[in-house]
Amino acid sequence: KNQVEQSPQSLIILEGKNCTLQCNYTVSPFSNLRWYKQDTGRGPVSLTIMTFSENTKSNGRYTATLDADTKQSSLHITASQLSDSASYICVVTATGFQKLVFGTGTRLLVSP
Amino acid sequence: DAGVIQSPRHEVTEMGQEVTLRCKPISGHNSLFWYRQTMMRGLELLIYFNNNVPIDDSGMPEDRFSAKMPNASFSTLKIQPSEPRDSAVYFCASSDSNNYGYTFGSGTRLTVV
Repeated sequence: KNQVEQSPQSLIILEGKNCTLQCNYTVSPFSNLRWYKQDTGRGPVSLTIMTFSENTKSNGRYTATLDADTKQSSLHITASQLSDSASYICVVTATGFQKLVFGTGTRLLVSP
Repeated sequence: DAGVIQSPRHEVTEMGQEVTLRCKPISGHNSLFWYRQTMMRGLELLIYFNNNVPIDDSGMPEDRFSAKMPNASFSTLKIQPSEPRDSAVYFCASSDSNNYGYTFGSGTRLTVV
């Protein structure tokens, strides 16, 4: 069964600190993996997208990694800001399918 | 590019009433998706269209839900009759043919009282 699991479910960090969010998936055959940021009351916004051949991609202070062998991905946030407080969702697509498989998300709170 | 546009942003209606949610996809995108998001179940795909044709509606919860895409620039999701358990945020998303430009709208928050 195609599944995406994320950890932790929630996280509180102090402003300025770094953090790493985890994503494990069983989606096969793998096509691509995305990380989305969803602010409260808003739609998900894409941060990164990686295909099988890519193992790292950055978007400002956000850096995503992908290990297609172990089927794991991480999202690293550097020098966190209050505006980073949001839910972060890992999403995986299987080759030949347009349906995305969503993780349940990690709710991040950056505290001043 | 204005992105995916949804209307209304908020809808409050009484149980039993018909509700229509609207979506305008990004110009040039040929796939459109309707999702429902709740705290308990997260994001759930309801239905998606390719080139205005419904491809997979297996996520539509029951016959009270219907979706149409009369042209490439407009889609509706209708609930008739609405029930309190339909209260959720409904998102529309669109993508290009290679699925890389997958973009969500800002959502419609539906409350059925």
